[in-house]
Amino acid sequence: DGGITQSPKYLFRKEGQNVTLSCEQNLNHDAMYWYRQDPGQGLRLIYYSQIVNDFQKGDIAEGYSVSREKKESFPLTVTSAQKNPTAFTLCATRERGGTDTQFFGEGSRLTVL
Amino acid sequence: AQSVSQHNHHVILSEAASLELGCNYSYGGTVNLFWYVQYPGQHLQLLLKYFSGDPLVKGIKGFEAEFIKSKFSFNLRKPSVQWSDTAEYFCAVNAGRNNDMRFGAGTRLTVKP
Repeated sequence: DGGITQSPKYLFRKEGQNVTLSCEQNLNHDAMYWYRQDPGQGLRLIYYSQIVNDFQKGDIAEGYSVSREKKESFPLTVTSAQKNPTAFTLCATRERGGTDTQFFGEGSRLTVL
Repeated sequence: AQSVSQHNHHVILSEAASLELGCNYSYGGTVNLFWYVQYPGQHLQLLLKYFSGDPLVKGIKGFEAEFIKSKFSFNLRKPSVQWSDTAEYFCAVNAGRNNDMRFGAGTRLTVKP
């Protein structure tokens, strides 16, 4: 939703190459997430971060790494170990309190050449 | 671990038909429940959510969902669909200390004009 910017929207990488996807938010949300969306499998959690300088692996963390040096930013690095040829990844933030609703960016599509 | 099941992979309806999309979850404790919608080429948007109170929740664009605790279900309904409702719909459940959000595999809805 508004306030979450993912870039780039489309990215091509060569085998053996690492690439980094950016996620920036101005919602002042503490928690941030990375999901991968695969057809027929819904959204699966790659990594999440509840606060700055802390992050945890999700269900499909292999081949990915993250950092959380600033509250506003949660970049995702896709390493050469990630074998999925094409992936649509989504960044999300979580609103604290109440129902803890998550808000999503527009996504980035990564293709391996 | 909690899981979310969406019964229908692809639903095709004519305009003005009624819609019901099934969602069941496996977690036994207190949960927050969500339906998200992804229109073609757009990011995920919150359609509606339930966290307490009236089990019949009304969302945007005429959608509603009913939480039936005894059946672990949170089905999405709309009395009369429109062509513009063509989208993919995701059910999600949020429970646990780490705010672990689990998504269903998604249901693709096609509404024929």
